[in-house]
Amino acid sequence: KAGVTQTPRYLIKTRGQQVTLSCSPISGHRSVSWYQQTPGQGLQFLFEYFSETQRNKGNFPGRFSGRQFSNSRSEMNVSTLELGDSALYLCASSSLAGGAEDTQYFGPGTRLTVL
Amino acid sequence: AQTVTQSQPEMSVQEAETVTLSCTYDTSENNYYLFWYKQPPSRQMILVIRQEAYKQQNATENRFSVNFQKAAKSFSLKISDSQLGDTAMYFCASRGTGFQKLVFGTGTRLLVSP
Repeated sequence: KAGVTQTPRYLIKTRGQQVTLSCSPISGHRSVSWYQQTPGQGLQFLFEYFSETQRNKGNFPGRFSGRQFSNSRSEMNVSTLELGDSALYLCASSSLAGGAEDTQYFGPGTRLTVL
Repeated sequence: AQTVTQSQPEMSVQEAETVTLSCTYDTSENNYYLFWYKQPPSRQMILVIRQEAYKQQNATENRFSVNFQKAAKSFSLKISDSQLGDTAMYFCASRGTGFQKLVFGTGTRLLVSP
């Protein structure tokens, strides 16, 4: 099975711009979660989508939003970028069928640099 | 709320030796899962091993094993016969069932030297 894929792998933006990141989960997985990883804050949960509905949300401002499509692919959007948004954004998928299927598998990440 | 604590920011070990990474957690969930993830310098986060809290038997995956002490809320990772490829950041994580977020510790940087 192909793993979780994320595009693009690298992005450079300037303050005030917006950005959209994409994540394709492992085939058959219906849950997609997003995390932000920075040296200072570590790994922080952004949100989780299942069956096109946001099921859980972390403590991030409204500039961070996401959505999930019927094929389980997910996008994350950050509007009005700030320097502090520079981070590695990780996507993870799971099948959420219960038990071992709740394990999250991660993609390679998108490295976002805000100048 | 769940919390995960890794008290060892960095550890080093020589090839072929055994090393143990520590992790403690706190949760109010009755059922939950514990994980160790590895993030090599290439940045891909890889699942190393998982433990279901209701299972008393410690999980093992080849050279990797855990010591799960539920009452003490401790979940350490033992790496036997360390290899150079084990050099990475190791994250301990906890998650409840259903739509519960995965909560990570701050990580332990492991360096395996020849």
